[in-house]
Amino acid sequence: KAGVTQTPRYLIKTRGQQVTLSCSPISGHRSVSWYQQTPGQGLQFLFEYFSETQRNKGNFPGRFSGRQFSNSRSEMNVSTLELGDSALYLCASSLRGGATDTQYFGPGTRLTVL
Amino acid sequence: KQEVTQIPAALSVPEGENLVLNCSFTDSAIYNLQWFRQDPGKGLTSLLLIQSSQREQTSGRLNASLDKSSGRSTLYIAASQPGDSATYLCAGSSGGSYIPTFGRGTSLIVHP
Repeated sequence: KAGVTQTPRYLIKTRGQQVTLSCSPISGHRSVSWYQQTPGQGLQFLFEYFSETQRNKGNFPGRFSGRQFSNSRSEMNVSTLELGDSALYLCASSLRGGATDTQYFGPGTRLTVL
Repeated sequence: KQEVTQIPAALSVPEGENLVLNCSFTDSAIYNLQWFRQDPGKGLTSLLLIQSSQREQTSGRLNASLDKSSGRSTLYIAASQPGDSATYLCAGSSGGSYIPTFGRGTSLIVHP
């Protein structure tokens, strides 16, 4: 079974631009979560989607948004990029996002904002 | 709100040593506790998931325990190898959603 894939793997943008990241979950997984990882803050939860609906949301500004498609693939968008948005963005999928579900992570997208 | 702490932040051991990584959490009404490893610049690999009704889980040379009453989990690595060098993160889910809260990790180096 193929793992979680994320595209692109690396991105360089400038302040004020916007960016879209993509995540394809493991086949059959319906829950997709997004995380931001930085050296200063560690791993922080952005949002979770289940069956095309945002089910949980972390404490990030509205510039961060996402969506999920009917095939469970997910995208996240960051508008008006700031230098502090430079981070490794990780996507994770699980069957249902329940207490007994293991989360499987993708390799991440490394975003650098100049 | 769940808070997860991992001590120590870094650990260096010689090959062959048995070692224990520690994870503490503040909300004992935890649904599950997961251990992950992360290699530099890479995503996370799930190692073990302990559900709240369980006390421990084992996979190969790894054994993870969960003590909800004391708010602690430990990851035991037997006969460590250089290939075990990575950052180990624990994450606990509680508080009405199953979204995990991550610790900052323990960076492990196993030298030959």
